[in-house]
Amino acid sequence: NAGVTQTPKFQVLKTGQSMTLQCAQDMNHEYMSWYRQDPGMGLRLIHYSVGAGITDQGEVPNGYNVSRSTTEDFPLRLLSAAPSQTSVYFCASIRQGSTEAFFGQGTRLTVV
Amino acid sequence: GENVEQHPSTLSVQEGDSAVIKCTYSDSASNYFPWYKQELGKRPQLIIDIRSNVGEKKDQRIAVTLNKTAKHFSLHITETQPEDSAVFFCAASSNTGNQFYFGTGTSLTVIP
Repeated sequence: NAGVTQTPKFQVLKTGQSMTLQCAQDMNHEYMSWYRQDPGMGLRLIHYSVGAGITDQGEVPNGYNVSRSTTEDFPLRLLSAAPSQTSVYFCASIRQGSTEAFFGQGTRLTVV
Repeated sequence: GENVEQHPSTLSVQEGDSAVIKCTYSDSASNYFPWYKQELGKRPQLIIDIRSNVGEKKDQRIAVTLNKTAKHFSLHITETQPEDSAVFFCAASSNTGNQFYFGTGTSLTVIP
């Protein structure tokens, strides 16, 4: 049982490049979400999903897309990276009926 | 939407002393208030939580109090130890339970 796994752990992108941050969980959790963590700003919700095929926007969705084709996977796509997207990204999952969020180990993204 | 404020942003205490971190929230619909601890370079992990029908909850050296009328809740750590040094985040959530609004974090340093 690996929990929530994020790949890659580190990534450097050039402005305008695209990439996908991967998130997978093996706990059969219905709820998954993406947060970004910036100094002095805590964790801010980007997008979330309550189940396969269902996604919605969080506090800071601009510049990011998500999809949820399976229960296990919840990738985050940056279509055209900008320096403002330099951050640490965390994926989290929650079992339906529970309230404890399990976080992945994070992806540190730098956009130059 | 919900707005969670957290104070102080940094806190240094001597080993054995107590530490208190305070949060306020804005949305009266919020009814679940978790606290997450993030050690340096690691993922956030749940340490304690409280629901709106409870005023106080304790787990060994940590306790959380909630004042629904004033919309504030606090984390209390007694007999602090160096291994308590970390960043602590408060959060608020409504009945949906899968969208968390986090505070900006408190960096706690326990000085041996």
